[in-house]
Amino acid sequence: KNEVEQSPQNLTAQEGEFITINCSYSVGISALHWLQQHPGGGIVSLFMLSSGKKKHGRLIATINIQEKHSSLHITASHPRDSAVYICAVLKETSGSRLTFGEGTQLTVNP
Amino acid sequence: GAVVSQHPSWVICKSGTSVKIECRSLDFQATTMFWYRQFPKQSLMLMATSNEGSKATYEQGVEKDKFLINHASLTLSTLTVTSAHPEDSSFYICSAAGGLNYGYTFGSGTRLTVV
Repeated sequence: KNEVEQSPQNLTAQEGEFITINCSYSVGISALHWLQQHPGGGIVSLFMLSSGKKKHGRLIATINIQEKHSSLHITASHPRDSAVYICAVLKETSGSRLTFGEGTQLTVNP
Repeated sequence: GAVVSQHPSWVICKSGTSVKIECRSLDFQATTMFWYRQFPKQSLMLMATSNEGSKATYEQGVEKDKFLINHASLTLSTLTVTSAHPEDSSFYICSAAGGLNYGYTFGSGTRLTVV
Protein backbone atom coordinates (compact mmCIF):
# COMPACT_ATOMS: atom_id res chain seq x y z
CA LYS A 1 0.00 0.00 0.00
CA ASN A 2 1.30 3.43 -0.92
CA GLU A 3 2.08 5.79 1.90
CA VAL A 4 0.17 8.53 0.05
CA GLU A 5 -3.11 7.64 -1.61
CA GLN A 6 -5.17 9.95 -3.77
CA SER A 7 -8.73 9.68 -4.94
CA PRO A 8 -10.13 9.73 -7.46
CA GLN A 9 -7.48 8.74 -10.00
CA ASN A 10 -9.45 10.37 -12.78
CA LEU A 11 -12.11 13.05 -12.59
CA THR A 12 -14.17 14.62 -15.34
CA ALA A 13 -16.29 17.65 -14.59
CA GLN A 14 -18.35 20.25 -16.38
CA GLU A 15 -17.25 23.84 -16.31
CA GLY A 16 -18.52 25.57 -13.19
CA GLU A 17 -18.67 22.47 -11.01
CA PHE A 18 -17.18 22.27 -7.52
CA ILE A 19 -14.35 19.74 -7.43
CA THR A 20 -12.79 17.84 -4.56
CA ILE A 21 -9.65 15.74 -4.70
CA ASN A 22 -8.69 13.72 -1.66
CA CYS A 23 -5.36 12.65 -0.22
CA SER A 24 -4.79 10.22 2.63
CA TYR A 25 -1.43 9.34 4.08
CA SER A 26 -0.25 6.73 6.54
CA VAL A 27 2.94 8.26 7.92
CA GLY A 28 3.85 11.09 10.23
CA ILE A 29 4.42 14.26 8.27
CA SER A 30 5.75 17.73 8.82
CA ALA A 31 4.03 19.23 5.79
CA LEU A 32 1.80 18.35 2.85
CA HIS A 33 2.01 19.85 -0.61
CA TRP A 34 -0.50 20.08 -3.41
CA LEU A 35 1.07 20.32 -6.85
CA GLN A 36 -0.38 20.91 -10.28
CA GLN A 37 1.20 19.34 -13.36
CA HIS A 38 0.12 20.71 -16.71
CA PRO A 39 0.00 18.63 -19.92
CA GLY A 40 3.38 20.00 -20.96
CA GLY A 41 4.90 18.55 -17.80
CA GLY A 42 5.69 21.66 -15.79
CA ILE A 43 4.80 21.47 -12.11
CA VAL A 44 3.50 24.31 -9.99
CA SER A 45 3.36 24.21 -6.23
CA LEU A 46 -0.16 25.22 -5.18
CA PHE A 47 -0.10 24.88 -1.42
CA MET A 48 2.09 23.82 1.45
CA LEU A 49 0.08 22.89 4.54
CA SER A 50 0.92 21.77 8.01
CA SER A 51 -2.46 22.50 9.59
CA GLY A 52 -5.85 24.01 8.92
CA LYS A 53 -6.85 25.54 5.66
CA LYS A 54 -5.43 27.74 2.92
CA LYS A 55 -7.16 29.56 0.09
CA HIS A 56 -5.79 31.03 -3.12
CA GLY A 57 -8.26 32.32 -5.63
CA ARG A 58 -10.63 29.47 -6.51
CA LEU A 59 -8.46 26.87 -4.82
CA ILE A 60 -8.88 25.76 -1.22
CA ALA A 61 -6.75 23.19 0.57
CA THR A 62 -7.50 21.68 3.94
CA ILE A 63 -5.69 19.22 6.14
CA ASN A 64 -6.75 17.17 9.16
CA ILE A 65 -3.61 15.99 10.89
CA GLN A 66 -5.43 13.66 13.28
CA GLU A 67 -7.21 11.89 10.43
CA LYS A 68 -4.14 12.04 8.14
CA HIS A 69 -6.25 13.47 5.35
CA SER A 70 -6.16 16.47 3.06
CA SER A 71 -8.51 17.78 0.41
CA LEU A 72 -8.05 20.13 -2.50
CA HIS A 73 -11.16 21.95 -3.63
CA ILE A 74 -11.65 23.91 -6.83
CA THR A 75 -14.65 26.22 -6.98
CA ALA A 76 -16.24 27.31 -10.26
CA SER A 77 -14.01 24.96 -12.25
CA HIS A 78 -12.78 26.01 -15.67
CA PRO A 79 -11.26 24.06 -18.58
CA ARG A 80 -7.89 25.65 -17.82
CA ASP A 81 -7.95 23.80 -14.49
CA SER A 82 -7.50 20.56 -16.44
CA ALA A 83 -4.25 19.07 -15.19
CA VAL A 84 -2.84 16.37 -12.93
CA TYR A 85 -3.04 17.27 -9.25
CA ILE A 86 -0.47 15.64 -7.04
CA CYS A 87 -0.43 15.32 -3.28
CA ALA A 88 3.05 15.08 -1.76
CA VAL A 89 4.10 14.79 1.87
CA LEU A 90 7.25 15.64 3.72
CA LYS A 91 7.70 12.70 6.06
CA GLU A 92 9.07 13.38 9.52
CA THR A 93 11.74 10.73 8.91
CA SER A 94 12.89 11.58 5.37
CA GLY A 95 14.58 14.93 5.69
CA SER A 96 13.58 17.15 2.79
CA ARG A 97 12.49 14.42 0.36
CA LEU A 98 8.89 14.46 -0.80
CA THR A 99 6.75 11.32 -1.05
CA PHE A 100 4.24 11.59 -3.85
CA GLY A 101 0.76 10.31 -4.45
CA GLU A 102 -0.08 8.87 -7.86
CA GLY A 103 -1.89 12.00 -8.95
CA THR A 104 -5.43 12.80 -10.01
CA GLN A 105 -6.09 13.57 -13.66
CA LEU A 106 -8.73 16.31 -13.81
CA THR A 107 -10.52 17.16 -17.03
CA VAL A 108 -12.95 20.06 -17.04
CA ASN A 109 -15.16 20.20 -20.10
CA PRO A 110 -16.66 23.45 -21.40
CA GLY B 1 8.13 34.46 -6.48
CA ALA B 2 10.70 31.67 -6.61
CA VAL B 3 11.58 30.48 -10.12
CA VAL B 4 13.67 27.56 -11.31
CA SER B 5 14.72 27.73 -14.93
CA GLN B 6 15.34 24.33 -16.54
CA HIS B 7 17.00 23.89 -19.93
CA PRO B 8 16.62 22.45 -22.42
CA SER B 9 12.87 21.82 -22.43
CA TRP B 10 13.32 19.01 -24.92
CA VAL B 11 16.26 17.28 -26.54
CA ILE B 12 16.75 14.50 -29.05
CA CYS B 13 20.11 12.78 -29.05
CA LYS B 14 21.77 9.75 -30.57
CA SER B 15 22.55 6.63 -28.60
CA GLY B 16 25.94 6.82 -26.97
CA THR B 17 26.06 10.58 -26.64
CA SER B 18 25.77 12.60 -23.45
CA VAL B 19 23.16 15.18 -22.61
CA LYS B 20 23.38 17.89 -19.97
CA ILE B 21 20.31 19.34 -18.29
CA GLU B 22 20.59 22.55 -16.29
CA CYS B 23 18.48 23.91 -13.49
CA ARG B 24 19.01 27.43 -12.21
CA SER B 25 17.28 29.10 -9.31
CA LEU B 26 16.76 32.65 -10.49
CA ASP B 27 15.83 34.60 -7.39
CA PHE B 28 16.76 32.44 -4.43
CA GLN B 29 19.51 30.15 -3.24
CA ALA B 30 18.70 26.49 -3.73
CA THR B 31 20.44 24.71 -0.90
CA THR B 32 19.09 21.39 -2.08
CA MET B 33 18.16 20.24 -5.58
CA PHE B 34 16.14 17.15 -6.33
CA TRP B 35 16.23 15.38 -9.69
CA TYR B 36 13.25 13.33 -10.77
CA ARG B 37 12.37 11.10 -13.65
CA GLN B 38 8.82 10.58 -14.82
CA PHE B 39 7.43 7.98 -17.18
CA PRO B 40 4.10 8.56 -18.95
CA LYS B 41 1.08 8.36 -16.65
CA GLN B 42 3.30 7.71 -13.66
CA SER B 43 4.30 9.72 -10.64
CA LEU B 44 7.63 11.40 -10.08
CA MET B 45 10.51 9.09 -9.23
CA LEU B 46 13.32 10.63 -7.22
CA MET B 47 16.70 9.92 -8.78
CA ALA B 48 19.04 11.87 -6.55
CA THR B 49 19.36 14.69 -4.07
CA SER B 50 22.18 17.18 -4.33
CA ASN B 51 23.40 19.77 -1.89
CA GLU B 52 25.60 22.64 -2.94
CA GLY B 53 29.27 21.76 -2.74
CA SER B 54 28.84 18.11 -1.86
CA LYS B 55 28.32 14.86 -3.69
CA ALA B 56 24.81 13.90 -4.67
CA THR B 57 22.92 11.17 -2.86
CA TYR B 58 21.47 8.70 -5.32
CA GLU B 59 18.39 6.57 -4.82
CA GLN B 60 18.69 2.83 -4.91
CA GLY B 61 18.88 1.54 -8.45
CA VAL B 62 20.06 4.80 -10.00
CA GLU B 63 23.51 4.55 -11.57
CA LYS B 64 25.65 7.41 -10.33
CA ASP B 65 28.15 6.98 -13.17
CA LYS B 66 25.41 7.25 -15.73
CA PHE B 67 23.49 10.14 -14.23
CA LEU B 68 26.12 12.67 -13.17
CA ILE B 69 24.87 15.42 -10.92
CA ASN B 70 26.80 18.57 -10.16
CA HIS B 71 25.63 21.24 -7.73
CA ALA B 72 28.56 23.63 -7.89
CA SER B 73 26.75 26.73 -6.71
CA LEU B 74 23.64 27.70 -4.78
CA THR B 75 21.92 28.66 -8.02
CA LEU B 76 22.95 25.95 -10.47
CA SER B 77 22.62 22.19 -10.58
CA THR B 78 23.19 20.00 -13.62
CA LEU B 79 22.25 16.46 -14.56
CA THR B 80 24.30 14.79 -17.28
CA VAL B 81 22.98 11.61 -18.84
CA THR B 82 26.09 9.87 -20.10
CA SER B 83 26.21 7.35 -22.93
CA ALA B 84 22.49 7.71 -23.40
CA HIS B 85 20.39 4.74 -24.50
CA PRO B 86 16.82 4.65 -25.78
CA GLU B 87 15.64 3.37 -22.38
CA ASP B 88 16.86 6.66 -20.88
CA SER B 89 14.16 8.44 -22.86
CA SER B 90 11.94 10.05 -20.28
CA PHE B 91 10.82 13.31 -18.71
CA TYR B 92 13.36 14.72 -16.27
CA ILE B 93 12.45 17.48 -13.84
CA CYS B 94 14.31 19.25 -11.08
CA SER B 95 13.01 20.77 -7.88
CA ALA B 96 14.78 23.20 -5.63
CA ALA B 97 14.33 23.56 -1.91
CA GLY B 98 15.43 26.95 -0.75
CA GLY B 99 14.17 27.09 2.76
CA LEU B 100 10.78 27.13 4.40
CA ASN B 101 9.68 30.39 2.83
CA TYR B 102 10.07 29.02 -0.66
CA GLY B 103 8.90 25.44 -0.21
CA TYR B 104 9.68 23.46 -3.32
CA THR B 105 10.00 25.07 -6.72
CA PHE B 106 9.99 22.88 -9.80
CA GLY B 107 11.65 23.41 -13.13
CA SER B 108 9.61 23.11 -16.30
CA GLY B 109 11.09 19.72 -17.13
CA THR B 110 13.15 18.26 -19.97
CA ARG B 111 11.79 15.67 -22.35
CA LEU B 112 14.69 13.51 -23.48
CA THR B 113 14.39 11.26 -26.50
CA VAL B 114 17.31 8.99 -27.34
CA VAL B 115 17.29 7.58 -30.87
